[in-house]
Parts: sequence; C-alpha cells; structure tokens
Amino acid sequence: NAGVTQTPKFQVLKTGQSMTLQCAQDMNHEYMSWYRQDPGMGLRLIHYSVGAGITDQGEVPNGYNVSRSTTEDFPLRLLSAAPSQTSVYFCASSYQGRTDTQYFGPGTRLTVL
Amino acid sequence: LAKTTQPISMDSYEGQEVNITCSHNNIATNDYITWYQQFPSQGPRFIIQGYKTKVTNEVASLFIPADRKSSTLSLPRVSLSDTAVYYCLVGRSNDYKLSFGAGTTVTVRA
Repeated sequence: NAGVTQTPKFQVLKTGQSMTLQCAQDMNHEYMSWYRQDPGMGLRLIHYSVGAGITDQGEVPNGYNVSRSTTEDFPLRLLSAAPSQTSVYFCASSYQGRTDTQYFGPGTRLTVL
Repeated sequence: LAKTTQPISMDSYEGQEVNITCSHNNIATNDYITWYQQFPSQGPRFIIQGYKTKVTNEVASLFIPADRKSSTLSLPRVSLSDTAVYYCLVGRSNDYKLSFGAGTTVTVRA
C-alpha cells in the first residue's frame, strides 16, 4: 500500500511552459485535492474532486486545470507557468470528505523562472 | 465555514507538555475539530480529531470544552522531533473548500 504518490519531486520550468503534476492513491479514496504551500504559509486549496468525473475549484484555482477520469489518479495541469506559481504542491486524499483523515503525498517542489 | 485562530508560534523544551489552543467561536453543530502536524519538506499528517469533551491517542490529547468555541491540543513530554507546524481545522464532511491556515510553529529546544 503506497498511499499517496506524487511525481515529480522537483521541477524547474520557464515562464509560459506547461506541465502536469501527477498524483495517485491506492486506498480507493473518493475525495482527492490539490494544495499549494508558499514559504511560511499554510496550505491553500487549488482544486478538489469528490469522485471520478467530478471536480470543483478551491480557493486559488486560476492557472490550473484538473480532471479525474479514475478513482486513483488526479493530475494537476499548469497551463502556462508563471513565477507566481513557484511553490510546493501537495496532493491529498480521504475516504469521504474533508473532515475525514486526509492522507498527503510527499509534495512536488516547483520553480518557475 | 468556521474561522479558526491559533498562535503563530510557541517555544518549548524537551520533556515539557505543550498546549496549543485554537479558537473557533462560530463552530457549527455538525463541525468536527481536526489537528494536523507538518514537518519541514513533508505533507501534513493527521494527529487527532474530536467533537466534544476529550479525545486521546498515542500521540496527543484533544480537549474540547462544553461550548466548543475553542479546543486545546496537548502534546505530552515533547522531544526535538515534535518541532513542526500544527494546524487546527474545523468543519464537516461537506466542507470541501476548507483550507489550512498558517498554523502554529512549535519549536522544541534541548
């Protein structure tokens, strides 16, 4: 049972490039979410999904897209990277909803030059 | 959504008990209180969750008074490895847009 996995661990992009951050979980969790964490700050919700085929926006969705074609995978796409998107990105999953125990991945550290 | 307020930072020494209080004055009837711990360069980790009175597990205790307008996370006999950021979250199952605040940075010194 690997839990929540994220790839890559580190990524450097140039402004305007696009990329996809991968997230997968093997716990059959319905709820998955993406957060970003800037230095010295808490986690801010980007997008979330309550099940395959269902996604919605969080607190800071601009510049990001998501899709949920399977229960296991929840990729986050940066359409046109900007320096303001330099951050650490965490994916999380839980069995039912937000107050259920959330399991977090190890994070992806993204730098946009 | 219930707004939470917790101290920005706390210092302690090894072997002491650390108590972090979180205020949530507008907590709703169906809201639960959940605490997470985050070490540097890692994702947050669930510590404990409660609804009322007291909850205890192998890591911490959570004290919730009758009015539920605040809660206190208690870490017994902390060690250097307990240095982390601690987040207090208040919400219910359908609070999908609940975000983590800045948390409380606990620094344990030798």
